This record gives sequence, C-alpha cells and structure tokens, in this order.
Amino acid sequence: DSGVTQTPKHLITATGQRVTLRCSPRSGDLSVYWYQQSLDQGLQFLIQYYNGEERAKGNILERFSAQQFPDLHSELNLSSLELGDSALYFCASSPPEKETQYFGPGTRLLVL
Amino acid sequence: DQQVKQNSPSLSVQEGRISILNCDYTNSMFDYFLWYKKYPAEGPTFLISISSIKDKNEDGRFTVFLNKSAKHLSLHIVPSQPGDSAVYFCAASAGTNFGNEKLTFGTGTRLTIIP
Repeated sequence: DSGVTQTPKHLITATGQRVTLRCSPRSGDLSVYWYQQSLDQGLQFLIQYYNGEERAKGNILERFSAQQFPDLHSELNLSSLELGDSALYFCASSPPEKETQYFGPGTRLLVL
Repeated sequence: DQQVKQNSPSLSVQEGRISILNCDYTNSMFDYFLWYKKYPAEGPTFLISISSIKDKNEDGRFTVFLNKSAKHLSLHIVPSQPGDSAVYFCAASAGTNFGNEKLTFGTGTRLTIIP
C-alpha cells in the first residue's frame, strides 16, 4: 500500500458524459501528479499540482482539467468523453524536495 | 519520440538466477531514474531509484546501475523469485529543474520467473 488513495476504482460511462476522479496523496506530500495509461500509449504524464497550484502540464486534452484543494486532495475532471478516453488513470504523490513518486491503485475508466 | 526505451518487451528467468532488465534514454536533461514494478490492475510500485551523480544503488536483492555516457541503466534482481513476475517500468525525470519533476516512462518489460 503506497498510501495514495484513488476513487472510484472503476467507472463506466457513456460518450459525451463528464466524470470526476479523486486522489488523496500520502500524508505530507505536497505534489500530486496525474498519469494516463492506455493500451497503445503506455504511462503518459497529464498534469502536476504542487501545494494547490498547477506546476507542470503534459499532454492533457482541453476537455480535461484538474485541481488541488487546500487539504491537498486532487480531482481530475474529464468531460465530453470519447471512446478513446477509456484508460487507467493514475495519481501519484511525492514529498517536498524529493523526486520519488508513489502511485495510487488507479481508476479504470470505460467509455461506451 | 520515445525518450525512454525498454527494448525487451519480455524476459524469462529461472528462479534463483539473476534477472537483468535494461533501459536506454535519449534526453540528457534526465538526472533521476526510477524502476517500478506493476501487476495487472494495480498502480506502479516503486522499487529503487538512482541519481545521476551515482553509478550504482543497491537495495536488498535489487541493484540499479547507471551508465551516463551510454545513457543506459539496468536493474539487476538476484536471486530472482516467483513473486518478481510482473511488468517492470523504467522512468526518468529532470527533477532538479523546477517544473520538470514529471516522470517519462518506458514501455515496460514483462518479467516471468520460472520455478
């Protein structure tokens, strides 16, 4: 158990819908990262928050957005969902001034 | 452009022998490297890391070697155990640069330990 929690574990929805994925980082970790793992793309970085502020952006679609709240939990919002958004979404956290990231169990999203 | 490459999609090793997983990178800005182990439907589990100022780091059965001039790193597992069967990902970051802590992952190597 890494100490990073993600909910829900599974999500099935339809095209055009909007979903919210939630992540709670390890106690004391200020950075939260979101990654997407799809079958043909491997693990791809989406976005990073540090202590409530966006710190880095990767290949995140405009239909996707994220935020980190004062209690440091983070949410990833996916809207106007398409079939190709079906993937595993992982959240990771890291402590201040340290580079190792610890991953949560992931949310499996299936868009039908 | 695949900046982190794991050229062996799979590897089979006899129990008790050494497993060697390889990883190559192209981005010279990478200065921190990690290995993760992943089981199906679970998140990656951190195994071991190495900073670019070192060429070796050891933790129990796991040793990571870094050859900066060749832009190559390897993970040695000895002795290999059946529980080591999983997909292993190499990852890299330019973490000492603000805003570059994101991890770039390789495509993974599936390790199977044969009893």
